[in-house]
Amino acid sequence: QSALTQPPSASGSPGQSVTISCTGTSSDVGGYNYVSWYQQHPGKAPKLMIYEVSKRPSGVPDRFSGSKSGNTASLTVSGLQAEDEADYYCSSFRVFGTGTKVTVL
Amino acid sequence: EVQLVESGGGLVQPGGSLRLSCAASGFTFSSYWMSWVRQAPGKGLEWVANIKQDGSEKYYVDSVKGRFTISRDNAKNSLYLQMNSLRAEDTAVYYCARDNYDRGAFDIWGQGTMVTVSS
Repeated sequence: QSALTQPPSASGSPGQSVTISCTGTSSDVGGYNYVSWYQQHPGKAPKLMIYEVSKRPSGVPDRFSGSKSGNTASLTVSGLQAEDEADYYCSSFRVFGTGTKVTVL
Repeated sequence: EVQLVESGGGLVQPGGSLRLSCAASGFTFSSYWMSWVRQAPGKGLEWVANIKQDGSEKYYVDSVKGRFTISRDNAKNSLYLQMNSLRAEDTAVYYCARDNYDRGAFDIWGQGTMVTVSS
């Protein structure tokens, strides 16, 4: 199965919002509410940020939110902070997205 | 504290074998599916294999079928990945991850272990 499609990069200034898209098909993203998002800082393990499209695990700030429309899911980071600079990956049914590098300007 | 700790990585020649281990603690290991996920240098994440709670079901990405074997020992709270006929393209950091089927997500990750396949 092919990787889900994400933009290579996204950026925003501190305090602003950034939204990352994740495009799949009706067989994965579009067909089920099993979309998750992971944050990965350089040299570190991924961390689950969102599951089931829009649910946050305990401890994840509410600045992180998820949504879905058709075959495209989105992760929005509001009130950007320096520590949000990282790579972000979406996933659905054990297929990962291509990854997006978020830069805080 | 919920934790996964991988070990067993290293440098191996093409065609060689390696066995990775993952020690789990802080949760009921036998209640969860478990997965291995890898990341080649500078590349994205790739799911490799997973195993059901009792080991009765195992699934693999096509590129490792017939070469890698996932297993677990619930008595030892441990997950394993036996890797045979290794290729240069298997070079990656290998992560052990708790595969939470209820959430459809990998909710706990280890720190990873590096596998380098090179002559």
